[in-house]
Amino acid sequence: DADVTQTPRNRITKTGKRIMLECSQTKGHDRMYWYRQDPGLGLRLIYYSFDVKDINKGEISDGYSVSRQAQAKFSLSLESAIPNQTALYFCATSDHGQGGDEQFFGPGTRLTVL
Amino acid sequence: RKEVEQDPGPFNVPEGATVAFNCTYSNSASQSFFWYRQDCRKEPKLLMSVYSSGNEDGRFTAQLNRASQYISLLIRDSKLSDSATYLCVVTPNAAGNKLTFGGGTRVLVKP
Repeated sequence: DADVTQTPRNRITKTGKRIMLECSQTKGHDRMYWYRQDPGLGLRLIYYSFDVKDINKGEISDGYSVSRQAQAKFSLSLESAIPNQTALYFCATSDHGQGGDEQFFGPGTRLTVL
Repeated sequence: RKEVEQDPGPFNVPEGATVAFNCTYSNSASQSFFWYRQDCRKEPKLLMSVYSSGNEDGRFTAQLNRASQYISLLIRDSKLSDSATYLCVVTPNAAGNKLTFGGGTRVLVKP
């Protein structure tokens, strides 16, 4: 079984709709992240959380919100989706402590906003 | 200027050949450096960390040049399975685990 799972894997939606992407992990890591990937731009950090009570904005948080429901769950919401939010979204986790720099990624969610 | 820059490629490499490519970073205070591998639109996975003294893992060798602010990756005896996009990743500082990704270098190994 995958250690980091994301649902849905693919989603097509319309402009103005509210969308939630979910991430779950069984690695027992404290730290969780949401990234988006666009061609040629690499991965860009949207939000990150170092524990259940901690939420931090990343490089491109405008238009997004997150919720850390539990240590194992971190969801990303688009309150009113727009076409330039069409991208591949990755959730990632990392451990706190030695070797904590390695991040483990989920399989990604391909989101298309029409 | 982007914080982490890479030649997007593609680098077309004959099977068995050696290929090397660099990544430059703009923040001289950067602490940690990594190469991640990403197969076609799949999730990135850590390939190797990059240490100041350089490090080798099988056919892969990574080097760090702090003076010129770049890291490199060399792949020897390229295999078809090495075809992927290689992401250069930098940690800006010692606080936290925030990673900054380059846009990736695509490598295509051909028979």
